[in-house]
Amino acid sequence: DAKTTQPPSMDCAEGRAANLPCNHSTISGNEYVYWYRQIHSQGPQYIIHGLKNNETNEMASLIITEDRKSSTLILPHATLRDTAVYYCIVSYYPNTGNQFYFGTGTSLTVIP
Amino acid sequence: EPEVTQTPSHQVTQMGQEVILRCVPISNHLYFYWYRQILGQKVEFLVSFYNNEISEKSEIFDDQFSVERPDGSNFTLKIRSTKLEDSAMYFCASSQASSTGYNEQFFGPGTRLTVL
Repeated sequence: DAKTTQPPSMDCAEGRAANLPCNHSTISGNEYVYWYRQIHSQGPQYIIHGLKNNETNEMASLIITEDRKSSTLILPHATLRDTAVYYCIVSYYPNTGNQFYFGTGTSLTVIP
Repeated sequence: EPEVTQTPSHQVTQMGQEVILRCVPISNHLYFYWYRQILGQKVEFLVSFYNNEISEKSEIFDDQFSVERPDGSNFTLKIRSTKLEDSAMYFCASSQASSTGYNEQFFGPGTRLTVL
């Protein structure tokens, strides 16, 4: 089962920052936090991941709290194409590979 | 940029028929996965595959399902006798091995299976 909780939906004005929260209070010390998004019924698309430190790439920033029990994905300048379902996933890679447990995610709607 | 590909994009079949869904993972990846998503529901893990054998499978992955890597490039999911409830999007994913606990999975575009 998914070990994360996210708000079911959020709106964001185009051009503004979208801040998507995720709670993962039972995360263990070696689990990574991944963010994916799914546009319509397309395959989930990787956005960013982190372990302890905040991370930034060309798509987004990931802020992880010091106790690692929650994180926030930030899309700095949301566009209409960012309208999607965003999933926060925690997982650790054992020697035999690992599966992702997707929750229901947050449906982000970017409003013109 | 390398990507996971899946064929066909849409498969329609009659209940009770066998279907094979095909995936070509990213070439240097060693781990392969199948997930499914019933319309309007969550993405659900089915099975993971490493070193030519199943490494993990969910309760959904019963005896009706099987996976195979027949030729070193393709990765297939076979459903032996399809049921109406097998109608879903099926996503293939692949990932590299990692010794650091990090295992980013790359997903394909999916195959929409419709069972009539």
